[in-house]
Amino acid sequence: EAQVTQNPRYLITVTGKKLTVTCSQNMNHEYMSWYRQDPGLGLRQIYYSMNVEVTDKGDVPEGYKVSRKEKRNFPLILESPSPNQTSLYFCASSLTVGSSYYGYTFGSGTRLTVV
Amino acid sequence: QKEVEQDPGPLSVPEGAIVSLNCTYSNSAFQYFMWYRQYSRKGPELLMYTYSSGNKEDGRFTAQVDKSSKYISLFIRDSQPSDSATYLCAMSRAGKLIFGQGTELSVKP
Repeated sequence: EAQVTQNPRYLITVTGKKLTVTCSQNMNHEYMSWYRQDPGLGLRQIYYSMNVEVTDKGDVPEGYKVSRKEKRNFPLILESPSPNQTSLYFCASSLTVGSSYYGYTFGSGTRLTVV
Repeated sequence: QKEVEQDPGPLSVPEGAIVSLNCTYSNSAFQYFMWYRQYSRKGPELLMYTYSSGNKEDGRFTAQVDKSSKYISLFIRDSQPSDSATYLCAMSRAGKLIFGQGTELSVKP
C-alpha cells in the first residue's frame, strides 16, 4: 500500500531533550515536506526537500532541523524542544515532474507535547 | 494579509444539502489548486486537484477556479453525514504548498 509513515504517533517530552520524528514514504516521491498544524493557524510548512540532499526552509523553520540522505526518509529533528513546539506534525510527499506537483500524500500525524 | 484566506466555519447543513466552500488568495504566482479533506485525528487526504481556471467534477464534488478573481470553490452535492470533516484549500507555488485555515463541516442526518 502506498503510504507515508510517521513515528511516533504520540510523544510527550521535556523541554530541551532532543528528539527525532521519523517519516518514510514508499512511493519513490522526490518531494517531501513537514508541516505543523495548530488551532486557528492551520497547516504551516516547516521544511521541504526537492530531492536527496536538497532541503529548504518553509515558513516556520526556527527550532527544527531536517536531513534527506535517502529518497524515502525525511526525519524532523528538534534539537532543544520548547513548549511552543507543542503541535500536531504531518509529513507529506509528492511526485514531481519538472515543476509540476501531483498532489501530496500525508502521513497520519505525530502529536507532540513538550512540557 | 494571509496569502490564502478561508472561512473556518463551523458550517452545519442537513443531509442532502448542497455545500459551498470557498477560498480567496492574493498571490498570482499560485499555479496548482487543491482541496483536501481531513477527518478528526487523521492526515489530510487529497480530494481534488486543478491547474487552470474552470470547473472539474468528480462524483458529488466539483472544484471551481477563477484565477481572474483569485477565488476557488468546492461544491458538494447531496451531502452525506460521512462528508463531515474539515476541508482545506491549498495552493502551490515554487515548491511550497500553502493551506487555508480549513472549514469544519458537519452534515446532520
